[in-house]
Amino acid sequence: DADVTQTPRNRITKTGKRIMLECSQTKGHDRMYWYRQDPGLGLRLIYYSFDVKDINKGEISDGYSVSRQAQAKFSLSLESAIPNQTALYFCATSDPRRQWEQYFGPGTRLTVT
Amino acid sequence: GESVGLHLPTLSVQEGDNSIINCAYSNSASDYFIWYKQESGKGPQFIIDIRSNMDKRQGQRVTVLLNKTVKHLSLQIAATQPGDSAVYFCAENPAYYNAGNNRKLIWGLGTSLAVNP
Repeated sequence: DADVTQTPRNRITKTGKRIMLECSQTKGHDRMYWYRQDPGLGLRLIYYSFDVKDINKGEISDGYSVSRQAQAKFSLSLESAIPNQTALYFCATSDPRRQWEQYFGPGTRLTVT
Repeated sequence: GESVGLHLPTLSVQEGDNSIINCAYSNSASDYFIWYKQESGKGPQFIIDIRSNMDKRQGQRVTVLLNKTVKHLSLQIAATQPGDSAVYFCAENPAYYNAGNNRKLIWGLGTSLAVNP
């Protein structure tokens, strides 16, 4: 079984809809991350969490919110989706002692029409 | 500003040849430099890291070189195979003394490696 899972894998939604992307991990890591990937722009950090009570904004947090329900679960929400949020979204985890070695999920491809 | 960039956005090599993927960085206050591989349809996967006080580190078929004088990082893949076809990202980890507990990876934009049979 995969260490980091994301659901759904693909999602098409309409402008203005609320959508939640979910991430679960079995690595026992405290740190979890949400990234967005767009062609030519690499990976950009949306939010990150060092533990259940510690959540921080990344470089592009506007329009997004997160919830860390448990050590193993970190969800990303788009309160009112807009077309320029169409992208590939990745969840990742890391051990705090080696925070640069991150384990990524398979990604969610989100299309906002 | 701080950035991690790439010299070549795409690289095409023949199967069996050696590949060299380059990366330039501007932040001197990083304690680790890292390479990730992203295959089509998958998330990035950690390949290898190198600590800032090292010049070279070898893994299985991969070697990472760090030249701090010119702020250059490279990934060498020996005997490139079709399974090496992917996008490769370099990244750097800001040192604790520079960024404290809120260290976040600085990612490059990626180089696409295509292996021709």
